[in-house]
Amino acid sequence: GENVEQHPSTLSVQEGDSAVIKCTYSDSASNYFPWYKQELGKRPQLIIDIRSNVGEKKDQRIAVTLNKTAKHFSLHITETQPEDSAVYFCAAHLSGNQFYFGTGTSLTVIP
Amino acid sequence: GAVVSQHPSRVICKSGTSVKIECRSLDFQATTMFWYRQFPKQSLMLMATSNEGSKATYEQGVEKDKFLINHASLTLSTLTVTSAHPEDSSFYICSARDWSHQETQYFGPGTRLLVL
Repeated sequence: GENVEQHPSTLSVQEGDSAVIKCTYSDSASNYFPWYKQELGKRPQLIIDIRSNVGEKKDQRIAVTLNKTAKHFSLHITETQPEDSAVYFCAAHLSGNQFYFGTGTSLTVIP
Repeated sequence: GAVVSQHPSRVICKSGTSVKIECRSLDFQATTMFWYRQFPKQSLMLMATSNEGSKATYEQGVEKDKFLINHASLTLSTLTVTSAHPEDSSFYICSARDWSHQETQYFGPGTRLLVL
């Protein structure tokens, strides 16, 4: 089955700096890669996603890049704000199958 | 976006009792719902995949007789934790996949279960 690895497990950045979280996957057939933000005690919220036919996608301060050859994808948050502090999960998905989640990254933005 | 509700949000029960958790898709039809368990500061652990009208598919290591799943309609799936024990205490989250957008899953708000 699919195996998703996520790094780093914790990340602290100064407000205004950028944060980058990286994930790798093992199944080259996976074709959908969402990123979720989860605040303490709350549900994961989809913040951005990318499909395998696209190399990069951006939504305001958030961007995701995908390298299919290397089988890795990354989340980029620019101009970080304290409200960006949360746990972020990546996932890999093959159509019709389950979602495989990374182990999560706890991001702290220091004011 | 699509809305998934989960009930109850929090439950405390005595050891040996059963607890039922409901997961509903409010504005879309979900042919597939997933049930996850999440321990503090850990990732989502898939317990089972629930397909409407058929038996759930359980992940390895998850006891199907202990965690009963029923997906009787396109908008409702239930998870029943039978004969709960303290080690079953956890955060249980469901998600629903919109049949018209198979790649997207929407999460419920979760149920925090505490077994005394």
